[in-house]
Amino acid sequence: NAGVTQTPKFRILKIGQSMTLQCTQDMNHNYMYWYRQDPGMGLKLIYYSVGAGITDKGEVPNGYNVSRSTTEDFPLRLELAAPSQTSVYFCASSPLGGAYGYTFGSGTRLTVV
Amino acid sequence: GENVEQHPSTLSVQEGDSAVIKCTYSDSASNYFPWYKQELGKGPQLIIDIRSNVGEKKDQRIAVTLNKTAKHFSLHITETQPEDSAVYFCAAILNTDKLIFGTGTRLQVFP
Repeated sequence: NAGVTQTPKFRILKIGQSMTLQCTQDMNHNYMYWYRQDPGMGLKLIYYSVGAGITDKGEVPNGYNVSRSTTEDFPLRLELAAPSQTSVYFCASSPLGGAYGYTFGSGTRLTVV
Repeated sequence: GENVEQHPSTLSVQEGDSAVIKCTYSDSASNYFPWYKQELGKGPQLIIDIRSNVGEKKDQRIAVTLNKTAKHFSLHITETQPEDSAVYFCAAILNTDKLIFGTGTRLQVFP
């Protein structure tokens, strides 16, 4: 059981470039989340999904897009990367929502220069 | 919406001592309060949680207490060990879909 798998682990982007952060889970969880972690700022919710075909914005969605075409995959798309998007990104999943605990991936460290 | 405040931001203790991390929440309707431990280079991992119908929960050396009247909850780690060194996050539920996290506490346990 791999749990939640995120790729890549590290990435350096130039300002204005685009990229997709991949997230896959093999636990058949309905709920999936994307958080960003900035130093001293905790975890901020970017987007989340309660099931295939359904996505919703979190606290900090600007500059990001998501899709959920399958239960397993929840990719996060960055368009026109900006230095403010330098952060560590975590994907998480849950069987029935936040009240049942999250399983986190190991994160993607992104630097925009 | 829900807001979660966490204190202290850093905490240093001697091995064997106890550590306490405190969180307050704003939404009185919140009913689930988990704690996550994040080791260096890894994602956060759930270590203990408590629901609003109980006041305390223990799991070996860790415990969580909840005061619904004051809207705060705390993580207690007894007999700390170097492997307890990590960043700890509290969280509270905002409706049933998503958690709101505190800003984290970096715990250092010195041998």
